[in-house]
Amino acid sequence: EDKVVQSPLSLVVHEGDTVTLNCSYEVTNFRSLLWYKQEKKAPTFLFMLTSSGIEKKSGRLSSILDKKELFSILNITATQTGDSAVYLCAVSGGTSYGKLTFGQGTILTVHP
Amino acid sequence: DVKVTQSSRYLVKRTGEKVFLECVQDMDHENMFWYRQDPGLGLRLIYFSYDVKMKEKGDIPEGYSVSREKKERFSLILESASTNQTSMYLCASRGTQGDTIYFGEGSWLTVV
Repeated sequence: EDKVVQSPLSLVVHEGDTVTLNCSYEVTNFRSLLWYKQEKKAPTFLFMLTSSGIEKKSGRLSSILDKKELFSILNITATQTGDSAVYLCAVSGGTSYGKLTFGQGTILTVHP
Repeated sequence: DVKVTQSSRYLVKRTGEKVFLECVQDMDHENMFWYRQDPGLGLRLIYFSYDVKMKEKGDIPEGYSVSREKKERFSLILESASTNQTSMYLCASRGTQGDTIYFGEGSWLTVV
């Protein structure tokens, strides 16, 4: 059975802190790993990672994939209150037609 | 921009009622998905469809059925709603060329 595990499940920090969110996975026929941010609405796409060791960056957010150790991290530097959200990791692959398997999510709270 | 529309945003239904949740996407995507999201459990796949009239069970199909008569529309059906189906339901779609999945705004269902 495909499995995605995120840690920590929740995190409380102050503005300006740097955070690292973790995602480990077990999936057959791995295709890609995706990160989403969810505020009180539908998840919005952040990154898609397919190759090991290549960092993807968008402003203060960055992410990298390790296909040998089967995990990914999402880093957020100089956090702001607007970064408060649930961060979801999902893996594409498995035995079915490109289904995505999601982790439980990490709830990030950034205090002023 | 891809648009995935869930027509019912907030519903309250009684136990035993039949519930229809409708989802429409405007990008001619082949793949459509229904997830439910519960605190601490992340997104769990109920059903997905990779073509008109084609469907495949996800991880938690019990108590649900789906219908895909037209490519743009994917319906989730609760034949006899129960209180443990109170949840937020997310519809999503994805084309065959990429792995990014696009979500609707979500349907909040309360079964009393």
